[in-house]
Amino acid sequence: DGGITQSPKYLFRKEGQNVTLSCEQNLNHDAMYWYRQDPGQGLRLIYYSQIVNDFQKGDIAEGYSVSREKKESFPLTVTSAQKNPTAFYLCASSIQEGQGYTFGSGTRLTVV
Amino acid sequence: RKEVEQDPGPFNVPEGATVAFNCTYSNSASQSFFWYRQDCRKEPKLLMSVYSSGNEDGRFTAQLNRASQYISLLIRDSKLSDSATYLCAVNWGGGADGLTFGKGTHLIIQP
Repeated sequence: DGGITQSPKYLFRKEGQNVTLSCEQNLNHDAMYWYRQDPGQGLRLIYYSQIVNDFQKGDIAEGYSVSREKKESFPLTVTSAQKNPTAFYLCASSIQEGQGYTFGSGTRLTVV
Repeated sequence: RKEVEQDPGPFNVPEGATVAFNCTYSNSASQSFFWYRQDCRKEPKLLMSVYSSGNEDGRFTAQLNRASQYISLLIRDSKLSDSATYLCAVNWGGGADGLTFGKGTHLIIQP
């Protein structure tokens, strides 16, 4: 079955450490997105990519980086520059801009 | 400015009742509209798209009012399993940055 897979489900980061969240889809979707969700804040866009080897900053890109070397994969790195990284991170994909998303099951990142 | 506003609730509704909530959006040029359902600590799941002519799927009806810039979701004969947070999402068009989400409306169906 086609879908979008995020890993790990839970991740703990030490102060000053970079961590990478994985997002893989086999839906043949061109567009992929990363969102962050905090309680009471809704979903906020971090980065998005409409095509391989191209990506754009969203509303809250500072302290994050991404790559899109393959159509299927859009990993997110949370760098040490992100001062408040504890959140629920959601990856999504859509067949094209303007269409509904399919979400992965998310990664819960906690700073310890 | 891109704004999508929802009443956070919670809406406490007895089982079997009909409940409706709205979502307002700021940009009149918005092109695509969606309702998502999110269960506690889970990912959002697409509930339905919202078309200009309205859209019905079983007990759920979504409508778009372009003149007043809002979309609505109506749930008839509510079930305990309808308890969740309902997110609306809007695509502004003219750009490639996807959907903007509201913060969600929390619905609790009570037995």
